[in-house]
Amino acid sequence: GAGVSQSPSNKVTEKGKDVELRCDPISGHTALYWYRQSLGQGLEFLIYFQGNSAPDKSGLPSDRFSAERTGGSVSTLTIQRTQQEDSAVYLCASSLGRLRRGVYEQYFGPGTRLTVT
Amino acid sequence: EDKVVQSPLSLVVHEGDTVTLNCSYEVTNFRSLLWYKQEKKAPTFLFMLTSSGIEKKSGRLSSILDNKELFSILNITATQTGDSAVYLCAVTISNFGNEKLTFGTGTRLTIIP
Repeated sequence: GAGVSQSPSNKVTEKGKDVELRCDPISGHTALYWYRQSLGQGLEFLIYFQGNSAPDKSGLPSDRFSAERTGGSVSTLTIQRTQQEDSAVYLCASSLGRLRRGVYEQYFGPGTRLTVT
Repeated sequence: EDKVVQSPLSLVVHEGDTVTLNCSYEVTNFRSLLWYKQEKKAPTFLFMLTSSGIEKKSGRLSSILDNKELFSILNITATQTGDSAVYLCAVTISNFGNEKLTFGTGTRLTIIP
């Protein structure tokens, strides 16, 4: 597609339910990143994929969070047993490859606003 | 712990004014510093800086990096209402061979007509 797309754009869920957020990166982009932005906060790194593997999961806040990527393309971020503190905008970004000095451009999707009631 | 700090947190100026936004960082294995503009949800890329002292310029926006004092500034001259946004600074760090961005909390800029 023309850009990174994410779905749904908004999700309201009850505390304790599971949610799945989807990201479609730009075609041909091998690197994919998930970030979270809570109200008034900066972007918080969650997980990074290179192809289908996730060499850096250091940002996942708890074991309720997991992500997968299939076919080197679509990625889903799953949050199990959602809590109110999970409420945030979840942003996905993709780039052509691994970040390298002097060769970088990361494209962001429009985000999914998650509200846990 | 890697840290990126932006100041001020918010800024309100009149159209036509010049503003300077600041970003300081304390990170290990610094690779580059990036500036983004975030109006609604998705940040849009402005600049990437890797070399100290070299100014990057795009229209009314410019930015420079000082990697000895560990900071960068983003200047916007002759501000317009369309410049109202959150400006995010991020630092690329190398983490066990993988590279990732650490973001600051942003500066919310409001331009009054």
